[in-house]
Amino acid sequence: DAKTTQPPSMDCAEGRAANLPCNHSTISGNEYVYWYRQIHSQGPQYIIHGLKNNETNEMASLIITEDRKSSTLILPHATLRDTAVYYCIAGSSNTGKLIFGQGTTLQVKP
Amino acid sequence: EPEVTQTPSHQVTQMGQEVILRCVPISNHLYFYWYRQILGQKVEFLVSFYNNEISEKSEIFDDQFSVERPDGSNFTLKIRSTKLEDSAMYFCASSEGWGTPYEQYFGPGTRLTVT
Repeated sequence: DAKTTQPPSMDCAEGRAANLPCNHSTISGNEYVYWYRQIHSQGPQYIIHGLKNNETNEMASLIITEDRKSSTLILPHATLRDTAVYYCIAGSSNTGKLIFGQGTTLQVKP
Repeated sequence: EPEVTQTPSHQVTQMGQEVILRCVPISNHLYFYWYRQILGQKVEFLVSFYNNEISEKSEIFDDQFSVERPDGSNFTLKIRSTKLEDSAMYFCASSEGWGTPYEQYFGPGTRLTVT
């Protein structure tokens, strides 16, 4: 599985957009980019995933560069409840396991 | 909204004892997983399960661990003889399909404390 690299921590002001970057320069053609988050010690929560195209759902938007070597998760209007550890994961169709890194700890501040 | 549930939320056991952690996956999901997270560390994959068989397992999932789907709804993780280092949060997850593009839905976890 491709290795992903994320900054260890970020801050964001409440109500502003949070842009969380992820580098996955070794991603292969059939590997999707997944984003999960973990609020405190709760179970990881799925946010969004994509392969090539940008994706948007009710939680977030995912922007994937054309060369697929990096992506950005966008929380358009961050709230205090979005404070969590955000994980970028490259997943393939060959395996069901998710390989979690250390993620980015996003602190949303009032 | 359907969700994965886990019981108990917290289990305290003595070293050497057997524990069974229980999970009820989302009802139409066919693939099931266990992960664990030692305090302050990463979430780690343990095992995946489909059609009453283990599909994948990590090196952590040694002979003291086993999984079972005893009926149509429950999915269990058994640790035969617990060690202090088994203390962790254990998360169950399920998915509709295998690998991408299927997302996994996680339960709230069971905190296992081995004394």
